[in-house]
Amino acid sequence: NAGVTQTPKFRILKIGQSMTLQCTQDMNHNYMYWYRQDPGMGLKLIYYSVGAGITDKGEVPNGYNVSRSTTEDFPLRLELAAPSQTSVYFCASSPQTGDYQPQHFGDGTRLSIL
Amino acid sequence: KNEVEQSPQNLTAQEGEFITINCSYSVGISALHWLQQHPGGGIVSLFMLSSGKKKHGRLIATINIQEKHSSLHITASHPRDSAVYICAVPLYGGSQGNLIFGKGTKLSVKP
Repeated sequence: NAGVTQTPKFRILKIGQSMTLQCTQDMNHNYMYWYRQDPGMGLKLIYYSVGAGITDKGEVPNGYNVSRSTTEDFPLRLELAAPSQTSVYFCASSPQTGDYQPQHFGDGTRLSIL
Repeated sequence: KNEVEQSPQNLTAQEGEFITINCSYSVGISALHWLQQHPGGGIVSLFMLSSGKKKHGRLIATINIQEKHSSLHITASHPRDSAVYICAVPLYGGSQGNLIFGKGTKLSVKP
């Protein structure tokens, strides 16, 4: 039972490059989330999705895009990488909205923009 | 919009000690989450609670909805409990919506 799988685990990008962080879950969860975690700060929500075809912005969406074509996959795209996007990115999923359901987290992607 | 404060930010304990980590929030909620982030970075959900107390092994979580406060206790602490403990609440309060996370409490348990 894989749970939430994120790839890659580590990546170094140059300023202006683009990349996609992959996230897939095998628990048939409707809700999926992307967070970033900066040193000394709490997790901040970038985007979330309540089901295939439906996405919405979180607290810090600027510079990112998402899509949700299937229940399983929720990729996060960085179009023009900037040093401020250096962070650890976590994908999570839950059966429904997170207040009474636990969120299951991937292992994270450590991204450095140089 | 909710704000979450955790205390202490860092905590060092000797093996066997009783640990308390506190979480306060500003907007009324119906459920609060406690999570654990391992030294390797992985995050797992420990508890969700809406009232009273929950217990799982040596971990006990309590919440006082009226006072907007929750505590996470660890009894008979062990070095393997060393981790960052994070509380999270609904961003706009109530029982719906996305979560806002505290900055975490880094716990180190010495043998």
